[in-house]
Amino acid sequence: DGGITQSPKYLFRKEGQNVTLSCEQNLNHDAMYWYRQDPGQGLRLIYYSQIVNDFQKGDIAEGYSVSREKKESFPLTVTSAQKNPTAFYLCASSIGTGGEQFFGPGTRLTVL
Amino acid sequence: GQQVMQIPQYQHVQEGEDFTTYCNSSTTLSNIQWYKQRPGGHPVFLIQLVKSGEVKKQKRLTFQFGEAKKNSSLHITATQTTDVGTYFCAGKDGNKLVFGAGTILRVKS
Repeated sequence: DGGITQSPKYLFRKEGQNVTLSCEQNLNHDAMYWYRQDPGQGLRLIYYSQIVNDFQKGDIAEGYSVSREKKESFPLTVTSAQKNPTAFYLCASSIGTGGEQFFGPGTRLTVL
Repeated sequence: GQQVMQIPQYQHVQEGEDFTTYCNSSTTLSNIQWYKQRPGGHPVFLIQLVKSGEVKKQKRLTFQFGEAKKNSSLHITATQTTDVGTYFCAGKDGNKLVFGAGTILRVKS
């Protein structure tokens, strides 16, 4: 089966701890994205990557970091500098940038 | 940067009634995409519109792209309980998409 996987589905962390969210795709897509979704709100872009070893900041990159060492993987680290990290995090990929995006199931992060 | 506004924020309809959500951009769009997110789920791509004035249909769903390519609409005829969820529009802005805030649709049976 081709698709995007995110793990874990639910994640709990203590305030002040960094946490890394996993995103893997086997669709052979070049572009990958991370979004944050808060209750009743739309999708806000955190980071995106058009190709391996390259990534750009989105609209709300502060307090987050990413890497793109492999085409299949685009992990997101939520650092302690992120002031309000509790949210639903969605990873997506597309063949090229700006095209149809395929989303993973999401990770719901709660910081206690 | 580009902004995409979507209205209404929320709509509650009786099963069988029609539903429409509207999307407006501050700038001309090269294309617009629509996604549906079921409660507790993730967004799923529905369609992409590219041409000025384009109209596309998927069963009971009708998608329209404005002549000026700055607005779009999604119309659902005779809603069913399976239509519940949040509908998002997204406009292409360079190498990324800018999503509207979404319209939450609830259907009373």
